[in-house]
Amino acid sequence: AQKITQTQPGMFVQEKEAVTLDCTYDTSDPSYGLFWYKQPSSGEMIFLIYQGSYDQQNATEGRYSLNFQKARKSANLVISASQLGDSAMYFCAPTTGRRALTFGSGTRLQVQP
Amino acid sequence: DAGVIQSPRHEVTEMGQEVTLRCKPISGHDYLFWYRQTMMRGLELLIYFNNNVPIDDSGMPEDRFSAKMPNASFSTLKIQPSEPRDSAVYFCASSLNGYNSPLHFGNGTRLTVT
Repeated sequence: AQKITQTQPGMFVQEKEAVTLDCTYDTSDPSYGLFWYKQPSSGEMIFLIYQGSYDQQNATEGRYSLNFQKARKSANLVISASQLGDSAMYFCAPTTGRRALTFGSGTRLQVQP
Repeated sequence: DAGVIQSPRHEVTEMGQEVTLRCKPISGHDYLFWYRQTMMRGLELLIYFNNNVPIDDSGMPEDRFSAKMPNASFSTLKIQPSEPRDSAVYFCASSLNGYNSPLHFGNGTRLTVT
């Protein structure tokens, strides 16, 4: 089974600042993908960003970007210019082959005004 | 695109009763997943289907749980008999190819077993 580690159970950030949410994983597969999801207090799961292990560049989607370090098996999510609406749980989820997504324990981010 | 549709949104039932959760995936998605979320255990994969065929049900907690996908547009998760420890939010999700395409989640069913 894959091991996923999100070491920060809770994070605080000031509005308009950047924040990095950590994720490390353990896989022996050379080819895999990494997803990040957001879960606001309303409960829905929202896809944010995807990184393939062979992608040459770090993925970016608007204010979201991935700091992908393949050798270290880490894929940290960077949120720039934090907004109050970014307050939520954030889950990292690596996937390999035909296996379904396994989610980390999550990081609760609170953006303060 | 209507997204993944789950019903009911909330279900309250008494211990011992049968519970059926329903899911309609996004049209054209070949993969369907059932997850359960609790505070203690986080998001757990229960079972997933590819082209209506169950691929991995190793996450199904016990024989009281069963899932079916009779066609590409409908899936059910049944718990019989239900127990208080089954109380959780149950999510259905679908994806295009299951590997490097994202999961699209339904809004979940909050199950409370008293």
